Amino acid sequence: NAGVTQTPKFRILKIGQSMTLQCTQDMNHNYMYWYRQDPGMGLKLIYYSVGAGITDKGEVPNGYNVSRSTTEDFPLRLELAAPSQTSVYFCASSYSWGGGGNTIYFGEGSWLTVV
Amino acid sequence: KNEVEQSPQNLTAQEGEFITINCSYSVGISALHWLQQHPGGGIVSLFMLSSGKKKHGRLIATINIQEKHSSLHITASHPRDSAVYICAALISNFGNEKLTFGTGTRLTIIP
Repeated sequence: NAGVTQTPKFRILKIGQSMTLQCTQDMNHNYMYWYRQDPGMGLKLIYYSVGAGITDKGEVPNGYNVSRSTTEDFPLRLELAAPSQTSVYFCASSYSWGGGGNTIYFGEGSWLTVV
Repeated sequence: KNEVEQSPQNLTAQEGEFITINCSYSVGISALHWLQQHPGGGIVSLFMLSSGKKKHGRLIATINIQEKHSSLHITASHPRDSAVYICAALISNFGNEKLTFGTGTRLTIIP
């Protein structure tokens, strides 16, 4: 049982490049989330999904896109990378919304620098 | 003002000391999570609380719904407890629920 696996761990992007952060969970959770963590700030929700084929914007969705073709996978796409997207990204999943009544599982994080 | 506030922001203590980290929130919640993040590492869930108290090893988490306050205690602290501790409240707002994170408490335990 691997939990939540996200890749890559580290990446340096040039301004204007695009990339995809991969996220996979093996717990059959319907709810999946992408957060970004900036210094001195609490985690902010970028996008979330309540099941395969269903995604929605969180608090800070601009410059990102997601898809959820399977229950297991929830990739995050950065289009036209900007320095403001330099951050640490976390994928998470849970059995119930926001982990109410249950545990939230997080990935190991992806450190992204845009130069 | 954040809906979820943690204190202190930074805490340094000697090995063996009893540690308390506080989390206050300003609105109604349905659950509160305590999370641990080691430097350069991922985030691990320690506790999920909706009422009362939970204990796991040397860690104890309590919540007082009426006072809108939760605490994380570490007994007999050890250098391996050095990490950032984050509380996250599942805030209820007009039928919607939003998970709101505190900014974290950086704990350093000195041998």
